[in-house]
Amino acid sequence: EVQLVESGGGLVQPGRSLRLSCAASGFTFDDYAMHWVRQAPGKGLEWVSGISWNSGSIGYADSVKGRFTISRDNAKNSLYLQMNSLRAEDTALYYCAKDMRQLAFDYWGQGTLVTVSS
Amino acid sequence: DIQMTQSPSSLSASVGDRVTITCRASQSISSYLNWYQQKPGKAPKLLIYAASSLQSGVPSRFSGSGSGTDFTLTISSLQPEDFATYYCQQSYSTPVFTFGPGTKVDIK
Repeated sequence: EVQLVESGGGLVQPGRSLRLSCAASGFTFDDYAMHWVRQAPGKGLEWVSGISWNSGSIGYADSVKGRFTISRDNAKNSLYLQMNSLRAEDTALYYCAKDMRQLAFDYWGQGTLVTVSS
Repeated sequence: DIQMTQSPSSLSASVGDRVTITCRASQSISSYLNWYQQKPGKAPKLLIYAASSLQSGVPSRFSGSGSGTDFTLTISSLQPEDFATYYCQQSYSTPVFTFGPGTKVDIK
């Protein structure tokens, strides 16, 4: 059974940093691209960042480019999102999602909540 | 950047109704279009990928069509469990992806 478990969320002050993690199991992690998607309270889905199986291709939404860094450790079956210079508008539930090669996200975690507030 | 729009933003329908949701891309995305369903408090669920391919385990009352810039998600006979918000997503401009703003389907 595929499982994606996010962690690392919490309350953080504006301008500070936070690192999210996603622990994957139930599939061959290093065969698939992975993504972070967020959802602000009461709002729609926003794709944040994605990384290919070998970290050779990485993309970011314009809203986080230069502040967030995605990475993965295939030996640990883990995906990460380093978030720096956090803003109030980064407040959201952050989901980890698996790419199914057909460039769609077939499995999602339950999310970890990030709240940016003073 | 590719922008996605959806219409309507919300709709009210009855059980048994045929429901159609439209998604439009700001430029051609071939068939790189996916549809997701999200229920309150839950993670999104993939329904349709590559514009018209039904994800495994998804009921056949869901179907997708379109290519280029205009796409449609159709629910042939709305069931009580289908009341949710639906999002389209383009995967043409990989490694950058974009979701549409969503369409909320609720009970009339």
